[in-house]
Parts: sequence; C-alpha cells; structure tokens
Amino acid sequence: DGGITQSPKYLFRKEGQNVTLSCEQNLNHDAMYWYRQDPGQGLRLIYYSQIVNDFQKGDIAEGYSVSREKKESFPLTVTSAQKNPTAFYLCASTPRAGMPDGYTFGSGTRLTVV
Amino acid sequence: AQSVTQLDSQVPVFEEAPVELRCNYSSSVSVYLFWYVQYPNQGLQLLLKYLSGSTLVESINGFEAEFNKSQTSFHLRKPSVHISDTAEYFCAVIPMDTGRRALTFGSGTRLQVQP
Repeated sequence: DGGITQSPKYLFRKEGQNVTLSCEQNLNHDAMYWYRQDPGQGLRLIYYSQIVNDFQKGDIAEGYSVSREKKESFPLTVTSAQKNPTAFYLCASTPRAGMPDGYTFGSGTRLTVV
Repeated sequence: AQSVTQLDSQVPVFEEAPVELRCNYSSSVSVYLFWYVQYPNQGLQLLLKYLSGSTLVESINGFEAEFNKSQTSFHLRKPSVHISDTAEYFCAVIPMDTGRRALTFGSGTRLQVQP
C-alpha cells in the first residue's frame, strides 16, 4: 500500500544534539511538508518542498534544516539551535504543489528532549 | 497570509447530543477549506472539504460543514455524536491562487464525547 512512513515513532534527544527525523513516501508525490504540533497551537509549517532539490521556509523554520535530494524522501534535522524542540512532528505530501486537497499525512514522530 | 481561528479548545458533549465546532478564517484571497480529524498519536485524516459548488458539504460519518463567505466561517456540525467521535478536530485553509501552497491550520478543538 502507498503511504508515508515516518521514523522513528519516538525519539529522545539530549540538549545540544542534532537529530534527524525521517519521512519517506511511495506515492510518487511531488510536494512534501513538515509540520510541528504543540498542544493548543495546532500544526505549524516548518518547511515544504514543491519539487526535488527545492524547498521553502514555513512559519517556524529557525533551528531546523531539510533536504530534498530524492523525490520520495524529505528528512528534517532538528538542530541544537532549536530552543524548544519537544513536540510531535508530522510529515505530509501531495501529488503536486498547490493542490488544494490530496494531502496524505504520516503517523508522526514524537521528539522529547531529555 | 491566511489565519484560522478555532475559539473552542475543548468541547465536552454527551453521547447522542448535537455538536458544533466553530472555525473562522482570515484571508486577503479566496481559500479552499478543510476539516481534519486526529486520533491520539496518529496523523491527520481528511473529514470534509469545500472546494467549490454547494456551500454545505457532508462527510460519510454524519458530519457536515457550511461555508459562509460573508462571515468567513466554516463551522462543523453533527446532529448526534458517538463515543467514537472523540478526537481532535482541525480546521484548515489553503489559498486558491498563487502564494504559499501549503495548508494553514487552526489550533484545534478537542471533542470529548461522554456516555
């Protein structure tokens, strides 16, 4: 079955460490997105990519980095510059950038700083 | 830029009672509107959407939402809720024209259905 796989499901990070969250899709979608979810704040856009080798900052890109070297993969690195990284991270994709619907979401990665 | 406001962070309701989850948006351009549902520790699932046509849209599990352009609202309703409807609900928009081509979400409403 086609879908989005996020790994790991749970991730623990020590302060000062960089960590990378994986997002892989086998839907042949062009566009991919990273959202951060915090209680009471909904989902906020971190980065999105409309096509391979291209990505744009969202609303809360500071302290995060991404790459899009392959169509099916859009990893997110949470750097030590991110002051409060504990959150639930969701990856999504759509067939083409700008499509109003057709979003597919992964099941998320819960990151905790210890 | 767009913004979405969900004024109710939590809505407790008894089983078989009606419910309304409110959503208002702000945008300088026309938008498409969506409701998504999230069960604990899972991703989001599309509940219903307004793209064009009839302003009243329905889901397969009894929810409906009405797009009101003059009030910039897209409230979600269900005439009789079930325990299984307990979840978090997110309203979202995306602009129809060019600009940032990604969903903008509200802060969510947690629906708690009690027996």
